[in-house]
Amino acid sequence: NAGVTQTPKFQVLKTGQSMTLQCAQDMNHNSMYWYRQDPGMGLRLIYYSASEGTTDKGEVPNGYNVSRLNKREFSLRLESAAPSQTSVYFCASSRGRASTGELFFGEGSRLTVL
Amino acid sequence: RKEVEQDPGPFNVPEGATVAFNCTYSNSASQSFFWYRQDCRKEPKLLMSVYSSGNEDGRFTAQLNRASQYISLLIRDSKLSDSATYLCVVNRDTGNQFYFGTGTSLTVIP
Repeated sequence: NAGVTQTPKFQVLKTGQSMTLQCAQDMNHNSMYWYRQDPGMGLRLIYYSASEGTTDKGEVPNGYNVSRLNKREFSLRLESAAPSQTSVYFCASSRGRASTGELFFGEGSRLTVL
Repeated sequence: RKEVEQDPGPFNVPEGATVAFNCTYSNSASQSFFWYRQDCRKEPKLLMSVYSSGNEDGRFTAQLNRASQYISLLIRDSKLSDSATYLCVVNRDTGNQFYFGTGTSLTVIP
């Protein structure tokens, strides 16, 4: 029962470096999401993909890009990392219908930008 | 104004106590409501959905007041294992976006 798998779990970058966070789900979910979590700020939506082939900006999209590679995979890219992007990143998926509700999360990726 | 607002706490309660968390949401178009639990350095996990009529799951009771745009979670007979952060979450079907409160921290003390 893998659920939502995201990699890497930990990463340290220097300012200006780029990296991609990978996320895959094996539950045949339509919707996928990337959140960041910072102390005192809660979970904030970066980007989401309501269904395969679509992506939309969330609350804090600046400095990020996403790709919904197929139904299973949704990646998050930082083109030029900044210290303000130091955070814990969570990928999540859901069936895509509000009535079912449940979001399933990956274990998180802890990113530090120096 | 934030979509979802919660009292961050912390709430420190003795074992066996009853504790209540409240949450308000700003958008009257919100359709679905949830409480998630997040343990330290772990991912959030669904605790329970919140239905208009109120619902109970063991020691946990959730209530929704649409008129006041208010959600609550009541925990009875607190256990040490209930120590965690509790996140209030609302969903507007449009775009299927989920909005999270900042969470309420609970520590149950022996």
